[in-house]
Amino acid sequence: DSGVTQTPKHLITATGQRVTLRCSPRSGDLSVYWYQQSLDQGLQFLIQYYNGEERAKGNILERFSAQQFPDLHSELNLSSLELGDSALYFCASRGGGGTLYTGELFFGEGSRLTVL
Amino acid sequence: AQTVTQSQPEMSVQEAETVTLSCTYDTSENNYYLFWYKQPPSRQMILVIRQEAYKQQNATENRFSVNFQKAAKSFSLKISDSQLGDTAMYFCAFMREGGSQGNLIFGKGTKLSVKP
Repeated sequence: DSGVTQTPKHLITATGQRVTLRCSPRSGDLSVYWYQQSLDQGLQFLIQYYNGEERAKGNILERFSAQQFPDLHSELNLSSLELGDSALYFCASRGGGGTLYTGELFFGEGSRLTVL
Repeated sequence: AQTVTQSQPEMSVQEAETVTLSCTYDTSENNYYLFWYKQPPSRQMILVIRQEAYKQQNATENRFSVNFQKAAKSFSLKISDSQLGDTAMYFCAFMREGGSQGNLIFGKGTKLSVKP
């Protein structure tokens, strides 16, 4: 158990719809990352938040948005869904510094999105 | 931009044998972290081993060890006494040292099959 919680684990929806994926980081971790894993693109970095602020952006589509709330949980919003958005979406967290900072990301179990 | 290359899409090994997975990376940074993550059929991303670039000594975790060649930008993973439970996708990953900012860049992965 990594300590990172993602919901829902599975989600099936139709094209054109909107979904929200939720992530709770490990206790005390300030950074939250979102990754997309698809068969043809591998693991792609989407976006990073640190203590509520956006810190880095990867290949995130304009139809996608994210935020990190004061309690440090994060949500990834996917809108106008297309068939190609079907993928496994991972959330990961990392420590904020001090002796607890070890560099690696701790991943949740992922949310599998299927767009029909 | 940093890149990570895993040149072996698939590998297989007999149970109890030793196997080495290759990884090369490209960066102009001097301080960074390298990781190997394992993704079994359950899809969970599990950290196998971590290496800090400033450390000359190769990291070891039980049956897993790395051969880190900083000048050659090479970071291979050796699995000794392979077990059936080692069957998984293995991802090499790079993260530059950057305090609160820095995302993990993954290779395409190597699918390892351990045969009885």
